[in-house]
Amino acid sequence: QKEVEQDPGPLSVPEGAIVSLNCTYSNSAFQYFMWYRQYSRKGPELLMYTYSSGNKEDGRFTAQVDKSSKYISLFIRDSQPSDSATYLCAMKTAAGNKLTFGGGTRVLVKP
Amino acid sequence: GVTQSPTHLIKTRGQQVTLRCSSQSGHNTVSWYQQALGQGPQFIFQYYREEENGRGNFPPRFSGLQFPNDSSELNVNALELDDSALYLCASSLMSSNYGYTFGSGTRLTVV
Repeated sequence: QKEVEQDPGPLSVPEGAIVSLNCTYSNSAFQYFMWYRQYSRKGPELLMYTYSSGNKEDGRFTAQVDKSSKYISLFIRDSQPSDSATYLCAMKTAAGNKLTFGGGTRVLVKP
Repeated sequence: GVTQSPTHLIKTRGQQVTLRCSSQSGHNTVSWYQQALGQGPQFIFQYYREEENGRGNFPPRFSGLQFPNDSSELNVNALELDDSALYLCASSLMSSNYGYTFGSGTRLTVV
């Protein structure tokens, strides 16, 4: 079983809809949580980051962490065709030196 | 930002390859990740102050170097077909838990 699980999709939504993405994990030592966006043939780009449990909002993006359930979410409001990409969750322990990624969810926002 | 070269290359099984990365200015740590098609990046190793500072589940034929001038290399010997992947370089500060900047990667195909 992988440390971080993520539904591969694809997730297809109409423009303007809310995109809901999530990851589950098994390592309770993870304390730092990140969401990356990756366009085709590009490297991952950091979108959001949170520490421990709670919510964080930045423009159209909201990240949520529920450590008791080992579950993190990313919501994208008012989705645009330019949001079409693969979204990767990533996690890190306090003492660790590596990011552990989920497999990524491919999102397609249709005009 | 982080730049990687070459963008693409094709190698034959059993050959050796060197991939190069130029870190973001001011960053003191470089990490390398392997991303197979349709999967999330997997941690290969990290270098800090020109020393290896952690390794993922990759065999010794994967090796690296970090130079004082913000550049680094990933070397892979005895290439196997399964080594075909996107190789990503990420630079950061050792003290940062979120600030990983990724390059666009090198797409390696082993035939």
